[in-house]
Amino acid sequence: GQNIDQPTEMTATEGAIVQINCTYQTSGFNGLFWYQQHAGEAPTFLSYNVLDGLEEKGRFSSFLSRSKGYSYLLLKELQMKDSASYLCAVRDNTPLVFGKGTRLSVIA
Amino acid sequence: DADVTQTPRNRITKTGKRIMLECSQTKGHDRMYWYRQDPGLGLRLIYYSFDVKDINKGEISDGYSVSRQAQAKFSLSLESAIPNQTALYFCATSDKDGDAADTQYFGPGTRLTVL
Repeated sequence: GQNIDQPTEMTATEGAIVQINCTYQTSGFNGLFWYQQHAGEAPTFLSYNVLDGLEEKGRFSSFLSRSKGYSYLLLKELQMKDSASYLCAVRDNTPLVFGKGTRLSVIA
Repeated sequence: DADVTQTPRNRITKTGKRIMLECSQTKGHDRMYWYRQDPGLGLRLIYYSFDVKDINKGEISDGYSVSRQAQAKFSLSLESAIPNQTALYFCATSDKDGDAADTQYFGPGTRLTVL
């Protein structure tokens, strides 16, 4: 079976750093994706990891450990516009399987 | 212009009615997908198609059917709508090639309400 776990909600302060974790158990593994979704809007692609390690893209970074079935998304210098849901998704031998998402609230 | 478009954007219908949701894309991708999103349940795959002659069931295909009319068009039908099909529906496309192969790009969504 396939199982992807993320925290349901998180709150962080403007200007701070927040780490959103994702653990997965899938029958195979062929890449992990992070998406951002603002309320009522479409998910938009943030990052992709297929090898272990950290991928950095501006204020956002994503880390993967395949042996631990673990990833995190790191958001630095938080801004109010970062308030959104963050979806972790894993590709094995089928189309993406999505976690239920983590709703991040950024407060002043 | 948007790369992935969905029509209609909002629809209210009654139980038992037949509904079609349409998706078009200009990204030139071969692969297309239909998802539904419900609060607390995340995105769930309904059907997907890897090319014009290919149709595959996803996690929750019961009560739905699809048609891939062309590379750029993928429609989702609810033959006889029921209230628990009330949800936000997303179409997505992906390209099997590239560094982040199969990155999915989503349309703006269709909010469907079945009374």
